[in-house]
Order: sequence, then structure tokens, then C-alpha cells
Amino acid sequence: EAGVTQSPTHLIKTRGQQATLRCSPISGHTSVYWYQQALGLGLQFLLWYDEGEERNRGNFPPRFSGRQFPNYSSELNVNALELEDSALYLCASSLNSPEAFFGQGTRLTVV
Amino acid sequence: AQSVTQPDIHITVSEGASLELRCNYSYGATPYLFWYVQSPGQGLQLLLKYFSGDTLVQGIKGFEAEFKRSQSSFNLRKPSVHWSDAAEYFCAVVAAGYSTLTFGKGTMLLVSP
Repeated sequence: EAGVTQSPTHLIKTRGQQATLRCSPISGHTSVYWYQQALGLGLQFLLWYDEGEERNRGNFPPRFSGRQFPNYSSELNVNALELEDSALYLCASSLNSPEAFFGQGTRLTVV
Repeated sequence: AQSVTQPDIHITVSEGASLELRCNYSYGATPYLFWYVQSPGQGLQLLLKYFSGDTLVQGIKGFEAEFKRSQSSFNLRKPSVHWSDAAEYFCAVVAAGYSTLTFGKGTMLLVSP
């Protein structure tokens, strides 16, 4: 059974550009979570999607947004990139449980 | 809001020695508790979880953790550490009725020969 898959593995963008990160959950999972792991800041919750709806949002500016598709895959969009957005972005999925399974992450570098 | 404290940023253990990583949480009721491990540049792998019942839980790779309600702790243990256990370990909680994880800052485990 395939785990949570994220693409791309690495992404390099210029300040001010937009980045799009993708996540495919474990088959059958309906919830997708996004976390940011920035150097020195630890793992911070970004967004939670379930059944296509945004259920909760962390303390991040509106330029961090996303969506969940009918097949439960998800996109995270970061607009107007800033240098401090450089981080490992982790996606996790779950099904009606607090137990979440994580992907390998997308390393975003803003230059 | 719940919070998680991992008081040790780094721990060095000799290969074959025992290991205990500390985790304390702050929350009014008993949350769901987790330990994850992360190798450099990789995602998080779930080691074990506690939802209810037996306070000593067994996980993968020979790890176990004990939930102590009176101390609001969920410490991770392993009787004999292997060099491949070197990684960063994160304790996390989910408050009952919520679904998002709150993580501690992590403990980096170094294993010396």
C-alpha cells in the first residue's frame, strides 16, 4: 500500500514568486494536513482539509492557502514568497483518527 | 491550548546503552500522545501512540513509552540503542475533539560507538 506521497521533492523559487506543493494521501484517507518545519521553529501546523473543506488553519498569513480535490489529494500554495518561507513542508493524512501518517516532504528554498 | 515540552535538545548515548527521551505535555484532559522519528531531510515516521488503556505502549523498532497521568509525561524508552537509531525524535499530542498535532521541539539523538 502506497504511503503519503509529496511532490516535488525539492523546489527552488525566487522571492516574490508563487510555489505549489502537492500531496496524495494514503488511499481511503479523507483528511490531509500541512505542516511547516523551518530551521529553528520546529513543526508548525499550517492547514487541515477534510472531505474537501478547510477545517482548521494555523497562525500563518493568507498568502498560505490550499485546497483539497475530490480524490482527496491536496495542494498547498504559497504566494509572494519570502526568504523565511524556506522550509520542509510536510503533508500528513488520516481517516477519522488523530493518528496521522506523513510523507517525505517538499524542501522549499526561496532565494 | 495544549503544549509539548521536550527538555533535552540533544542526547548522546553509547551504542548498546539504554535510552530515555522525556516528553511533558500541558493539557486539561488526557490527550492522544505520539512519538515520531525523523531522519535527516526525511518525513516523520510514527513510532508509537497512546490513546487509552494500558499506560505502557510498545512501538516499532523496539521502542516503548509510558504514559504517566500524574506527571503529564509520555517518555520514550529503548533498552539497547543501535547506531541506526540516531535521528531526531518528536513527541506530539492531539487534544480530544481536535485533529491537529502539536509537536515538541524535538530531541536529537546521537549514538556514539
